Amino acid sequence: KNQVEQSPQSLIILEGKNCTLQCNYTVSPFSNLRWYKQDTGRGPVSLTIMTFSENTKSNGRYTATLDADTKQSSLHITASQLSDSASYICVVSVDGGYNKLIFGAGTRLAVHP
Amino acid sequence: EAGVTQSPTHLIKTRGQQATLRCSPISGHTSVYWYQQALGLGLQFLLWYDEGEERNRGNFPPRFSGRQFPNYSSELNVNALELEDSALYLCASSFSLFEAFFGQGTRLTVV
Repeated sequence: KNQVEQSPQSLIILEGKNCTLQCNYTVSPFSNLRWYKQDTGRGPVSLTIMTFSENTKSNGRYTATLDADTKQSSLHITASQLSDSASYICVVSVDGGYNKLIFGAGTRLAVHP
Repeated sequence: EAGVTQSPTHLIKTRGQQATLRCSPISGHTSVYWYQQALGLGLQFLLWYDEGEERNRGNFPPRFSGRQFPNYSSELNVNALELEDSALYLCASSFSLFEAFFGQGTRLTVV
């Protein structure tokens, strides 16, 4: 069964600290993996997208890694800011089509001053 | 350039009623996707419209339906509302299969 599992479910860190969010997937076939940031009550906003051949991609203070062999991805946030408080969603695409995306339940991150 | 806009932002209905949610895609985008996000759960794919036609639907009952208009805007209709239909409904638009952009969502509460 195609699944995307994220850990931890929730995380609290202090402003300025780094953190890493994990994503494990069992989706096959695999087309690409995306990380989204979703503020409470808002729509998700794309952070990164990686295909099978890419193993790392950065977007400012966000760095995503992908290990297609172990089917694991991580999102590393550097020097966290209060505005990073949000849910981070890992999404795996089966064949590239947006109607066949498998969404993780997300990691809720709270950054405290 | 305006992003994907959804209306209303909040909607409160009673059980058994019908709800209509609207989505205006980014100019030039022909595809619209609808997702349901129940509290604490991941997004669940509902419907995909492209060029005015329904291309695919997720594992939801026929109470969930919609349409896409000639200007590519879309409506999601939920009939015979049930309490568990309470969720954030997100619309996304795209011009390709590879990327889409989400709206802010409509928070539907069924009481």
